[in-house]
Amino acid sequence: DQQVKQNSPSLSVQEGRISILNCDYTNSMFDYFLWYKKYPAEGPTFLISISSIKDKNEDGRFTVFLNKSAKHLSLHIVPSQPGDSAVYFCAATSLNNAGNMLTFGGGTRLMVKP
Amino acid sequence: NAGVTQTPKFRILKIGQSMTLQCTQDMNHNYMYWYRQDPGMGLKLIYYSVGAGITDKGEVPNGYNVSRSTTEDFPLRLELAAPSQTSVYFCASSATGGTEAFFGQGTRLTVV
Repeated sequence: DQQVKQNSPSLSVQEGRISILNCDYTNSMFDYFLWYKKYPAEGPTFLISISSIKDKNEDGRFTVFLNKSAKHLSLHIVPSQPGDSAVYFCAATSLNNAGNMLTFGGGTRLMVKP
Repeated sequence: NAGVTQTPKFRILKIGQSMTLQCTQDMNHNYMYWYRQDPGMGLKLIYYSVGAGITDKGEVPNGYNVSRSTTEDFPLRLELAAPSQTSVYFCASSATGGTEAFFGQGTRLTVV
């Protein structure tokens, strides 16, 4: 039973436009959410996070929105650049979880076309 | 600034063989993790450790063992390799619970 789901395996966007990547979760104990970016043959790298006490967090071109009632979060990239082409993983955890175990979604492959 | 280092990068094993995937971090992080990623899937937690001498099972621990004798090192042992263990393995570390984890580059393992 997947507790974190990314229902779109891939997304194609034109350079300069907005990319919106979605993520849904089922575990109501999750209170901290992260997005990771992964290039081929590399490990995932942390991109941005959000605590459940917020509904938005912004870092440059990247903004994460959290809708707790819908158990949904999204990552917005504006404007999208070809270098953003990668696989994006949504992850969730409970800060009360002693091991900080992250539960990952299946990933969305973003392709930004020049 | 090495971060998290995994060796080897690639390995082919025959069914029934054993091997150890090495992981070391130089950030003095207490928390370390092993994940596996199957094609088209997310990362699944195999084992984790919250400090030297302490390890615990994650979501998919069967067929693996770990040890944590030092803060820096967290090796993953595969005994009696099976084709189902063909995957990409990632080691990660984090300073404390609730902070983002830093990942190594991964080990691509094929069991034939």
